[in-house]
Amino acid sequence: DTGVSQDPRHKITKRGQNVTFRCDPISEHNRLYWYRQTLGQGPEFLTYFQNEAQLEKSRLLSDRFSAERPKGSFSTLEIQRTEQGDSAMYLCASSIGTSVKDTQYFGPGTRLTVL
Amino acid sequence: QKEVEQNSGPLSVPEGAIASLNCTYSDRVSQSFFWYRQYSGKSPELIMSIYSNGDKEDGRFTAQLNKASQYVSLLIRDSQPSDSATYLCAVMVTGGYNKLIFGAGTRLAVHP
Repeated sequence: DTGVSQDPRHKITKRGQNVTFRCDPISEHNRLYWYRQTLGQGPEFLTYFQNEAQLEKSRLLSDRFSAERPKGSFSTLEIQRTEQGDSAMYLCASSIGTSVKDTQYFGPGTRLTVL
Repeated sequence: QKEVEQNSGPLSVPEGAIASLNCTYSDRVSQSFFWYRQYSGKSPELIMSIYSNGDKEDGRFTAQLNKASQYVSLLIRDSQPSDSATYLCAVMVTGGYNKLIFGAGTRLAVHP
């Protein structure tokens, strides 16, 4: 257990529904990352927060995706109008963010299945 | 062209042998490199980080970095069946945000 928690661990939804995932980082970590991983691939970067500010978004993050980190603590990732192609493991990672030796620790992930 | 490349495997080694996992990357200015282990259905778990050319050892694991050749490797000595997993190589992108670029991973199978 790295200290990063994610909820829910599994989500099954029907195409067109909205889903929201939550990530609670390690308490002293001010950087929070979202990644997506599909079968047979490595995680792909989605977005990044420094405290409450969202500083970078991947082009993978279509306008159906939105992420927030209110008050610089937990973060939520919402997917609107889900599509079957959104089925993946959504991973959250956090880090202290002090230097190039910054280390990211991953949560257990949320596995999304879109029917 | 992929930014981080790994052989997908599977790499099959007998118990007790040395497993050698390799990774190449395209970003010449990258300074930070990581190896994560991922069991099936689980999230990535950090094994090693390396920042300088040469070797870094931690228990049965040794990471090797050659920035001139843009090459990172992970050696696992005395491989155990419990080491059977996918090993992900990750390179940190410079520019302030420290996002990681992952390879697709190498699947390692250690057989008794």
